[in-house]
Amino acid sequence: SQKIEQNSEALNIQEGKTATLTCNYTNYSPAYLQWYRQDPGRGPVFLLLIRENEKEKRKERLKVTFDTTLKQSLFHITASQPADSATYLCALERDSNYQLIWGAGTKLIIKP
Amino acid sequence: GAGVSQTPSNKVTEKGKYVELRCDPISGHTALYWYRQSLGQGPEFLIYFQGTGAADDSGLPNDRFFAVRPEGSVSTLKIQRTERGDSAMYLCASSPRTTGELFFGEGSRLTVL
Repeated sequence: SQKIEQNSEALNIQEGKTATLTCNYTNYSPAYLQWYRQDPGRGPVFLLLIRENEKEKRKERLKVTFDTTLKQSLFHITASQPADSATYLCALERDSNYQLIWGAGTKLIIKP
Repeated sequence: GAGVSQTPSNKVTEKGKYVELRCDPISGHTALYWYRQSLGQGPEFLIYFQGTGAADDSGLPNDRFFAVRPEGSVSTLKIQRTERGDSAMYLCASSPRTTGELFFGEGSRLTVL
């Protein structure tokens, strides 16, 4: 069956350092991969989308990589700030959004 | 506002009662999605609308769940004979396309006692 794995344990990072979150998947060939941020009690907010033929995507302090051979995406936040503390979700898309498969998310804590 | 609006934000009900959750998508967005999210889990797909019709309702867990979007804008998720296991955050999202970024509302937290 299709499976997406994100680190279930919270990731604690010192302010100013780079935070790296991992999204691994099996038995799946996604066309797109998306990353969202979710704060407690709120809906997810879209951050970045990367296509299967793209290796890397950047947006301000955010960077996403996509390795279809390793079946892995890495999400980086450089110069991390306490305001970056949230849960980050990855989602794989095959052909359209209603087929999005979601990871359980990784909680990121940036300590001042 | 310009975002996706969901009401109520919180709903507490008793087992066996009927519940309606409303979603008002971003104007002009033809695609609308309902998801359910339990604590510590990712969103779980329930149903997808393209315009007025349900293009895919394969995620609805059973026939107690039903959703409509009669005019291609506002959608209502309806849950009959609620059970304690229905307790979760119900998320609505819309999009101008069938692929790409989803715009989520803040969710409706349902608690069934």
